[in-house]
Amino acid sequence: NAGVTQTPKFQVLKTGQSMTLQCAQDMNHNSMYWYRQDPGMGLRLIYYSASEGTTDKGEVPNGYNVSRLNKREFSLRLESAAPSQTSVYFCASSEAGTYGYTFGSGTRLTVV
Amino acid sequence: GDSVTQMEGPVTLSEEAFLTINCTYTATGYPSLFWYVQYPGEGLQLLLKATKADDKGSNKGFEATYRKETTSFHLEKGSVQVSDSAVYFCALPRGSNYKLTFGKGTLLTVNP
Repeated sequence: NAGVTQTPKFQVLKTGQSMTLQCAQDMNHNSMYWYRQDPGMGLRLIYYSASEGTTDKGEVPNGYNVSRLNKREFSLRLESAAPSQTSVYFCASSEAGTYGYTFGSGTRLTVV
Repeated sequence: GDSVTQMEGPVTLSEEAFLTINCTYTATGYPSLFWYVQYPGEGLQLLLKATKADDKGSNKGFEATYRKETTSFHLEKGSVQVSDSAVYFCALPRGSNYKLTFGKGTLLTVNP
């Protein structure tokens, strides 16, 4: 099925551990985004990639890095996880010049 | 900066009741406005949009009218179903590169 695939779906980390959240889309979209969703906060943009080869910070980039590996894949890395990074992470993609985002089903991350 | 404010939830209704979820925005000019919906365990998906003032967006029985006089984009449905139970997000463009900023979300529960 066409869409945005995120892995893993669930993850528990210890404080200080690192991990990479993977995201891939098969719709040939140019733009990709990483959001985090927290209770009472809605969705907040972490990083985005307007096109292959470019990445930029969003509202809450501290503690994260990203890689736009190719047009399909956009990964999010936590170098040293902190309890404040406990959240649900969503990857999304869109065609160039549109706001019709397609979201993945999310990764629920718990940092203990 | 540009922002959206949604009514606080949760909202609990009986099947076939009328639904209104309020959304107001602060923005320069007249940006496009969007409603996204998140069903349990899934990512967000675009529900409807309006691209200019006085437009009405509609989809799946939901409607929202872009009212520049009151800077509002309230979501309405005449008769809700149990399957409409979800979290609803109002959104508007943020800066360049087709980024979106989302409201905090409103949880709707429809009881049979």
